[in-house]
Amino acid sequence: QSVLTQPPSVSAAPGQKVTISCSGSSSNIGKNYVSWYQQLPGRAPKPLIYDNNKRPSGIPDRFSGSKSGTSATLGITGLQTGDEADYYCGTWHSSLRAVVFGGGTKLTVL
Amino acid sequence: QVQLQQSGPGLVKPSQTLSLTCVISGDSVSSNSAAWNWIRQSPSRGLEWLGRTYYRSKWSNDYGVSVKSRITINPDTSKNQFSLQLNSVTPEDTAVYYCARSLENPGVLLDIWGQGTMVTVSS
Repeated sequence: QSVLTQPPSVSAAPGQKVTISCSGSSSNIGKNYVSWYQQLPGRAPKPLIYDNNKRPSGIPDRFSGSKSGTSATLGITGLQTGDEADYYCGTWHSSLRAVVFGGGTKLTVL
Repeated sequence: QVQLQQSGPGLVKPSQTLSLTCVISGDSVSSNSAAWNWIRQSPSRGLEWLGRTYYRSKWSNDYGVSVKSRITINPDTSKNQFSLQLNSVTPEDTAVYYCARSLENPGVLLDIWGQGTMVTVSS
């Protein structure tokens, strides 16, 4: 029962586009910036998006982020088999004074 | 290049204290722009932020609600590291534990992660 809500899984074919949603509340996403993380099996999470839509150095522009109200979305275009991973959204929760995460979305590239 | 190296036991008995250390290279635990976090991950609880320590003219901590009564995160400036202590552990505390640096750009970004330590709570 994570504070932020993500779909458990999404899938798409290589070369296609996929979006992953992250739903929160006025106390977290509604007031703060969202970040996204990619976790490959057996590895630590890796930052993909910060401040809703910025990419860290080295992250390709196939990855994009957006936020509207109390929800955020991660988009991935030109899907590759190497994109198969778990994806997590995260943000600051103002009233809890804590970082909160979504439950994660498993991306399958068919 | 900032790196975080974790160490600590992989097996802890129920009711005892879980202790982990995270050594920082390439940055300072006393940085005025970073915070130093502990996060854990288990199949049942997903990614769970445990807390952080940071220096902004004085040391401060924030802790996650679920562990607030049992957790301590301390900086060690002499060794440029920070530690996690979680008291009175139960099997529910079995998880992979990560240390991580966070920056505020202005949003919180956990940009550097340690390698992870699998901790099992069992007698």
